[in-house]
Amino acid sequence: DAKTTQPTSMDCAEGRAANLPCNHSTISGNEYVYWYRQIHSQGPQYIIHGLKNNETNEMASLIITEDRKSSTLILPHATLRDTAVYYCIVRVGGSQGNLIFGKGTKLSVKP
Amino acid sequence: GAVVSQHPSWVICKSGTSVKIECRSLDFQATTMFWYRQFPKQSLMLMATSNEGSKATYEQGVEKDKFLINHASLTLSTLTVTSAHPEDSSFYICSARDQGLAGYEQYFGPGTRLTVT
Repeated sequence: DAKTTQPTSMDCAEGRAANLPCNHSTISGNEYVYWYRQIHSQGPQYIIHGLKNNETNEMASLIITEDRKSSTLILPHATLRDTAVYYCIVRVGGSQGNLIFGKGTKLSVKP
Repeated sequence: GAVVSQHPSWVICKSGTSVKIECRSLDFQATTMFWYRQFPKQSLMLMATSNEGSKATYEQGVEKDKFLINHASLTLSTLTVTSAHPEDSSFYICSARDQGLAGYEQYFGPGTRLTVT
């Protein structure tokens, strides 16, 4: 079973920051948080991952709380092409663990 | 990021026939590949994990004799749906793990839409 809880859907205005929350209260010390997204009828796309520290790359930022029980994915300037289902995944079993997908958050970016 | 391809992107077959789907890692070697299935408006469900040169490990409830997985090389895995039925119609997605310097990142293919009539 997925170890994460995400809102079912969210809306965001184009050009604004999209903040997607994720709860993972049962996460263990060596388990990473991964974020993927899936645009309609395509395979999932890797976004970012982290363990304890906040992470940033060209796509997004990942903010992980100090107790690691929740995290937030931030898309700094959302565009219409960011409309997708976003999956927050806790990778069980360390760096070789499987990715088990939950239901994700359907983000709709509106003009 | 690394590229994973799938072929075909979509296929229609008649009930009772078998269908083979190919998954290739194009610019990296993948000792581990994964097969997922996704029904409409649902999340991805892991079907099986395969390691190059060994038998696949199937998730609970997935019939290994129906979904044959072969991972004969470091860049190719195949999924064969045998004696397909309409309930096997789904979106099949493969994924490959890159065990390069960056760590154990996992990349996904574009998916194959199977329709069984």
